[in-house]
Amino acid sequence: SQQGEEDPQALSIQEGENATMNCSYKTSINNLQWYRQNSGRGLVHLILIRSNEREKHSGRLRVTLDTSKKSSSLLITASRAADTASYFCALNINDMRFGAGTRLTVKP
Amino acid sequence: GAVVSQHPSRVICKSGTSVKIECRSLDFQATTMFWYRQFPKKSLMLMATSNEGSKATYEQGVEKDKFLINHASLTLSTLTVTSAHPEDSSFYICSARGLSYNSPLHFGNGTRLTVT
Repeated sequence: SQQGEEDPQALSIQEGENATMNCSYKTSINNLQWYRQNSGRGLVHLILIRSNEREKHSGRLRVTLDTSKKSSSLLITASRAADTASYFCALNINDMRFGAGTRLTVKP
Repeated sequence: GAVVSQHPSRVICKSGTSVKIECRSLDFQATTMFWYRQFPKKSLMLMATSNEGSKATYEQGVEKDKFLINHASLTLSTLTVTSAHPEDSSFYICSARGLSYNSPLHFGNGTRLTVT
């Protein structure tokens, strides 16, 4: 399969807590990207991590990549109600394919 | 930031008619555009990859004659759903990638198609 698989499928936390989502894949990649989708909208690019990088930060987001385990994680620190959305990882091979996503709910 | 404009955002049509959806990259050139279909609470299903000036590459199971894709310029790709049927009702999303292979995707806001 040439798409990532996110885990967990759904995650519910309280505002202020951290949220961690994981992405596993089976093929070689050029880079891995994380996206966010609010209900009924298009996706918004969050962060891109190249295959030779291990960790990347962007604001409250932290992404790690372990190519030996073929897995990546997205950590959102100090979550807010506005972070409620679906989060997808995408593998950049020749095209861009998405897994089923993690539906994150942050309760105020 | 890079902006992709997708129109229309919503369309309702009758069975048997055709619907055209436009996807424009407003402030960057997109050599590659992707078309996805998304069912409620599901992931994005890649329908086709569209490269400027060449024929689109369709995913297995996606009918080329049903979903016509044209990518005539570096800023515009269109998806035409021909002879639409109720089962074609879905959320269609386009995305565009810049000139660099490692560029992230920029997405349109999607088109909600309802076929009655």
